[in-house]
Amino acid sequence: DIQMTQSPSSLSASVGDRVTITCQASHDIKKYLNWYQQKPGKAPKFLIYDASILETGVPSRFSGSGSATDFTFTISSLQPEDSATYYCQQYDSLPITFGQGTRLEIK
Amino acid sequence: QVQLVESGGGLVKPGGSLRLSCAASGFRISDHYMSWIRQTPGKGLEWILYSSSSGNVMQYADSVKGRFIVSRDNVENSVSLQMNSLRAEDTAVYYCARDIRLPPLGWFDSWGQGTLVTVSS
Repeated sequence: DIQMTQSPSSLSASVGDRVTITCQASHDIKKYLNWYQQKPGKAPKFLIYDASILETGVPSRFSGSGSATDFTFTISSLQPEDSATYYCQQYDSLPITFGQGTRLEIK
Repeated sequence: QVQLVESGGGLVKPGGSLRLSCAASGFRISDHYMSWIRQTPGKGLEWILYSSSSGNVMQYADSVKGRFIVSRDNVENSVSLQMNSLRAEDTAVYYCARDIRLPPLGWFDSWGQGTLVTVSS
């Protein structure tokens, strides 16, 4: 199985800050990496596919980059509604696996 | 508007069975793969299976293989998950999700609200 490791596990930032989350795969997954946002009590929301392509309707302050084993997810200017847990997910091979999540808190 | 609504969760004893349903609206499940994903505080998000658009191909995670069975009713536009030989470690919130396929696999662009399954004596 491909292990996905996110860092940090949690972070706290202020409105307007630039925030970066990293996701590392245990094997080369090319560009096959997606990102999700989950708010408490809700289902995950799909944000980014193919490491860097924004799903329709997702604000442009969200972005992703990377390939092979190292990926980043960035919020360019943090907004209050971005308080959530963020997950990466690989789709290179079965079983599909997720990172453990990064909890983002607004100061 | 795409919507997925799960039902059927509850409390079940170890070794017991439970059947979850996922009713889809706003799209035809016959056009899409569908997956089930579960979430626990300890293990996070875990993909457990998918069903191909035709229902002819299913893949299961090792953790549920031989115990869980997915089926779909393309007329009713619903997907079901039969869970047998349940264990304490199957306790989780279960989500059905629309599975968008772009080889090699894909992503989950729409999710249900989730249904809680608790396995306990």
